[in-house]
Amino acid sequence: ETGVTQSPTHLIKTRGQQVTLRCSSQSGHNTVSWYQQALGQGPQFIFQYYREEENGRGNFPPRFSGLQFPNYSSELNVNALELDDSALYLCASSFGDGRGDQPQHFGDGTRLSIL
Amino acid sequence: AQSVTQPDIHITVSEGASLELRCNYSYGATPYLFWYVQSPGQGLQLLLKYFSGDTLVQGIKGFEAEFKRSQSSFNLRKPSVHWSDAAEYFCAVGARGSYIPTFGRGTSLIVHP
Repeated sequence: ETGVTQSPTHLIKTRGQQVTLRCSSQSGHNTVSWYQQALGQGPQFIFQYYREEENGRGNFPPRFSGLQFPNYSSELNVNALELDDSALYLCASSFGDGRGDQPQHFGDGTRLSIL
Repeated sequence: AQSVTQPDIHITVSEGASLELRCNYSYGATPYLFWYVQSPGQGLQLLLKYFSGDTLVQGIKGFEAEFKRSQSSFNLRKPSVHWSDAAEYFCAVGARGSYIPTFGRGTSLIVHP
């Protein structure tokens, strides 16, 4: 069974740039969620994708966007990067329709640093 | 909207001692409750979950948690801590019918030999 994999592991960008982070969900999983984890904080829910559509979103601006592909892999795109976007970005997959009762399996994250 | 409070930022215990990590939640009905563990440089691993039924939940790695509705708590316990348990622990709550889980800010567990 293949777990959740994220790429790249680390990334350095400058303010104003755009970034794309990638996630391959665990085999058999059809739902993908993205989280932002700032240093010393818990993960903050960004959004969730189910059947290639966004079906839940946290308190993040529209410059945070995503995609889910037919093979259930996913991308997180962030435009106009700001210093506060520096964080660990976690992807989590689960099986079901994305309701809150489904345990999620997390990848190891992408560490994004904004200079 | 639901919320989670983990009142202890750091907990230090000796190896072999018992452990209890506190978690309090705010939600108008019975929530879904989770505990996750995060080792340095890694993602989160699910330790256990509560949906309904028996309020004492058994998880992996010898952990258990008890749901107490009257106290709005879901504390994590382990009878004997191992050095490998040193990590960050997160409590999370999911609202029934909602797609948005809420995590606490975490408790860092330090284990002394």
